[in-house]
Amino acid sequence: DIVMTQSPDSLAVSLGERATINCKSSQNVLYSSNNKNYFAWYQQKPGQPPKLLIYWASTRESGVPDRFSGSGSGADFTLTISSLQAEDVAIYYCQQYYTSPPTFGQGTKLEIK
Amino acid sequence: EVQLVESGGGLVQPGGSLRLSCAASAFTFSNYAMNWVRQAPGKGLEWVSTISSGGSTYYADSVKGRFTISRDNSRNTLYLQMNNVRAEDTAVYYCATGAPHTGNYYVLDCWGQGTLVTVSS
Repeated sequence: DIVMTQSPDSLAVSLGERATINCKSSQNVLYSSNNKNYFAWYQQKPGQPPKLLIYWASTRESGVPDRFSGSGSGADFTLTISSLQAEDVAIYYCQQYYTSPPTFGQGTKLEIK
Repeated sequence: EVQLVESGGGLVQPGGSLRLSCAASAFTFSNYAMNWVRQAPGKGLEWVSTISSGGSTYYADSVKGRFTISRDNSRNTLYLQMNNVRAEDTAVYYCATGAPHTGNYYVLDCWGQGTLVTVSS
C-alpha cells in the first residue's frame, strides 16, 4: 500500500496569514500516460464529514474558495491557504488514488494562533 | 441537493453481524460508484470498500472476507454487510460518492453524516 505522510501534525496560524500543509507519498502517484497526479485534499471540520477540496493535485472542487490551492507532483504535495479565515479551522487530509487501496494521510490539525 | 443518509449502526458484540444502509437522493444513483470509508474515534480516515456503477466490488484487506458491499439501484440504497466484526471495526462509517467528473471511483465528492458502529462485549 502507498503510505501518505503529512507534516506538520498540527499547525497554528494567525487570521489572514498563509497556512501550508505538506504531504509525501511513499511512491510516485503521477501517471505518466496522462500526466495527472492521482492526489486529493479533504477538509474535515469538527463533527462533520470530510469535504473534497482539491483533486488531480491542483484542481479545486466546485464551490471551494480560491484561497485554497494545491501544488506538487510525483510524491510531494502542498496545500496552501493564502489568507486564513476562522472557518478554515479543521483537520486536513491528503489522499492518493493512484492505486487500490486508496490511502489517506494521518491528518493535519489547523488552528488559529 | 445530493443527500446521503446512513443508518444501521449501533452496538454489536465481537463476532456478530450488522448491516449498514446508505439512502441516496437527488442524483442518478445507478450511474455512480459508491464507497464506504470509516473513521475510528479520534483517528483518521480509512477506505473500506467500493462498488462501481456496474457492480464491481473492491475491499480493504482488513475487511476482505468479512464485509460485503452491495447496492439496490431500484431503492437508491447502498449497503455494507458486516460479519464477524472485531473491536478494531469500531468507527463512524461514511458512505460517499465517487466523483464522476474525475472519472475515478476513489475521489470522494459527496459524503453522508456517518453512522457509528461500536464493537464491544
